[in-house]
Amino acid sequence: QSVLAQPPSVSGAPGQRVTISCSGSGSNIGAGYDVHWYQHLPGTAPKLLIYGNTNRPSGVPDRFSGSKSGASASLAITGLQAEDEADYYCQSFDLSLSVVFGGGTKLTVL
Amino acid sequence: QVQLRESGPGLVRPSETLSLTCSVSDYSISTGHYWGWIRQSPGKGLEWIGCIFHSGVTHYSPSLKGRVAILVDTTKNEFSLKLTSVTAADTAVYYCARHMVRGVVYPDFWGQGTLVTVSS
Repeated sequence: QSVLAQPPSVSGAPGQRVTISCSGSGSNIGAGYDVHWYQHLPGTAPKLLIYGNTNRPSGVPDRFSGSKSGASASLAITGLQAEDEADYYCQSFDLSLSVVFGGGTKLTVL
Repeated sequence: QVQLRESGPGLVRPSETLSLTCSVSDYSISTGHYWGWIRQSPGKGLEWIGCIFHSGVTHYSPSLKGRVAILVDTTKNEFSLKLTSVTAADTAVYYCARHMVRGVVYPDFWGQGTLVTVSS
């Protein structure tokens, strides 16, 4: 069981909007620590998509956006494309466990 | 843009020490940032192992502390991971990554990873 809870899978058709949730607790996200999001295609290097809850690194399309409220965070992807099919992970810091990741969400583009 | 590449044995015997090296190019480790390791066991999520600053300051995951050491060699622009007394549970793809600091650390640029299998 991961400290940060994510749905195992989500899906959407091309062009649609999907969201991936990341639920934490008062010892991590709820304690005010930032949430970061990564995109991972198996066999490749994970890629930072969102840092500091809402910020996109240079080169990341604005179709990707992040938000945080209380002890939870969300990643939204609009205008879904086939190339978005990947695993997505949230990451934060936990007072007892240090750097922690969510269990990951597999996005399927129908 | 920084490039990272992991290298090391793909097979380690149980109870022995896992040793991996991360070579960094197009960026000097001495410039700053933390440099660390993350792993992913088969069929599971990502697990943070620890990181090191170029000065040698380290931070480790509480679950692995006592078995893990991360070292840095600024002359070779590389850093390394040593994990002692390995078991089958340490079988994983190991990633090295540059870490940014924003209050606490988080990885931003990652290597492609290297599979390490623990088996006799």
